[in-house]
This record gives sequence, structure tokens and C-alpha cells, in this order.
Amino acid sequence: AQKITQTQPGMFVQEKEAVTLDCTYDTSDQSYGLFWYKQPSSGEMIFLIYQGSYDEQNATEGRYSLNFQKARKSANLVISASQLGDSAMYFCAMRALQGGSEKLVFGKGTKLTVNP
Amino acid sequence: ETGVTQTPRHLVMGMTNKKSLKCEQHLGHNAMYWYKQSAKKPLELMFVYNFKEQTENNSVPSRFSPECPNSSHLFLHLHTLQPEDSALYLCASSPRVFNQPQHFGDGTRLSIL
Repeated sequence: AQKITQTQPGMFVQEKEAVTLDCTYDTSDQSYGLFWYKQPSSGEMIFLIYQGSYDEQNATEGRYSLNFQKARKSANLVISASQLGDSAMYFCAMRALQGGSEKLVFGKGTKLTVNP
Repeated sequence: ETGVTQTPRHLVMGMTNKKSLKCEQHLGHNAMYWYKQSAKKPLELMFVYNFKEQTENNSVPSRFSPECPNSSHLFLHLHTLQPEDSALYLCASSPRVFNQPQHFGDGTRLSIL
């Protein structure tokens, strides 16, 4: 069975500093995608960044980068130069397709607070 | 503007009421999803539709009844709900390939009295 583990219920960071949010996963699938989403207090889920299981390069999107270590089954999100607007819940998720079946699983999330 | 619109944003209902949640996507995606998000729990996948056909039902109680009349619209019909069903219900859509993200609506916050 697929599983996503986010071990940090809450994280604090000073404005303009970098922060790493941890994510480990468990799957027997060979092809899968790893995603990070941001959920502000208003509730909407915002897609941030994607890493494919066969991608050799770590994904980057602006201030977001993904530290992908396939052998360790980890996909940590790094936010550089934190801003006050980055305060939100962050979810790691995995998606795989096997025949006609779609597998989707989300972690419990990490609440990030950026302090001025 | 997310491309996925959910209505209503908030809903309060009694346990004997019948109501429906609506989701509409304008992204041309062929897969649509319902999720339940309760406090202090991971996001729970409820239903998956692919080209209007239901492909996943994660042991959801029959008091939740989904309907997908076309690839752009998804409904969740609610009847005889329990207090533990109070949660944020999120709709999402995506292309049906594993390397594409899901796009989420803003959710319906449901409270059962």
C-alpha cells in the first residue's frame, strides 16, 4: 500500500530564511509522481511543484525546490527566502496509475509559520 | 481563479436534510475527484471519476452519493448525514496521467447539526 509520511506537524522560520519540509513515501510502483501542495487558511489547495520517479534532476519552481532522494524514498520541499505569505499548511502527495486503477495518497501535512 | 468552482462555499444542514454539493471544472480535464478533509486527519479520497465513469469508491458510506453527468460537472448528494461528516469537502480535476497535478476547488465547508 502507498503511504506518505510528514513527520513535522509544525515548523517555524524567520522571514527571508530557507526552510525544509520533510516527506518520505512508500510504494511498490515503479512509475509515480510526487507533488507538494500549499493550503492557506482560506482552504484552497494550491499546486507548488512536481517530481517524477524517473526524473534525475531535482525539480525547481521559483523559490520552491524539491530535494528528491529516490533510494531513501524522500521528497523534501525547500522554500528559499521565506515570505510572510508562505504561512500555510503544506501537503506532500503521491500519484500512481496501475492499469485502470488510480492511487492517490496525501500526507498529514506540516503547518509552516513564517515570523517577521 | 482556480478553474475548478465549488458551490456552495459553506453549508449547514440537519441530519435529516438532503443537499447537494456541486463542482465544475473549466480545464478540459477528464478525471474528477471528491475528497474529505477533517480536522487533524489526512486528506481522504472519496470518489474518482474518469470520463464520467466511477473508477474508485474508497468505502464511502451510502449516505454520500456522487453523480458525474459529464466530464465538467461533479455532484455529491448528501442525505441523513452524521455529525462526524462535518468537514471540508474538496473537489479536484486533472488529466488522467500520473505526472500531472490535480487542480482543486476552494472547497465546501459542511457543518452537520
